[in-house]
Amino acid sequence: DAKTTQPNSMESNEEEPVHLPCNHSTISGTDYIHWYRQLPSQGPEYVIHGLTSNVNNRMASLAIAEDRKSSTLILHRATLRDAAVYYCILRDVERLGGSQGNLIFGKGTKLSVKP
Amino acid sequence: DTEVTQTPKHLVMGMTNKKSLKCEQHMGHRAMYWYKQKAKKPPELMFVYSYEKLSINESVPSRFSPECPNSSLLNLHLHALQPEDSALYLCASSHPFGEQFFGPGTRLTVL
Repeated sequence: DAKTTQPNSMESNEEEPVHLPCNHSTISGTDYIHWYRQLPSQGPEYVIHGLTSNVNNRMASLAIAEDRKSSTLILHRATLRDAAVYYCILRDVERLGGSQGNLIFGKGTKLSVKP
Repeated sequence: DTEVTQTPKHLVMGMTNKKSLKCEQHMGHRAMYWYKQKAKKPPELMFVYSYEKLSINESVPSRFSPECPNSSLLNLHLHALQPEDSALYLCASSHPFGEQFFGPGTRLTVL
């Protein structure tokens, strides 16, 4: 099982950028890097995913290291609504019929945003 | 409609009761999931249905019985639960192996 390591918690100020790191030193060539977040009292929601290249969408950007052993989720301007637990998850496209092709959540990073 | 709905929002049951959790989606997704989340812990995958067939059972005790009567509905039947089964039960759906959409969950308390 490929695993991810994230800091337990991070703090940010409102309207400032936030960089959430994730280490995945045992990543395989067929693992996609997914990010989900879970706001208080809600189910998780998809944020972004990527394989090798950096990715941008309306919610965030994903920067992937050249060796793919780490990645960073970037929130360009944090708002109070971004306070959540952020999960970095590896998903193996060659094992989509088995558990490793599904979402296996780690402990995540709890992001606090200060006004 | 990009919503996954779950009913009930809250459920309290005794150890001898039988109850069911319901999940519904109208996004045309053919994969549906049940997760269990204990307080301050990450969600844990329980079951995966793909095209209305059970494809993954993550060694879940038989007191939890999933059912997928059609492509829009997913049920979780509960019987003879234990207090340690108290948790938030999350349903999700997706196109096969695509981004998962989660419902708000059912908060279950077993007395």
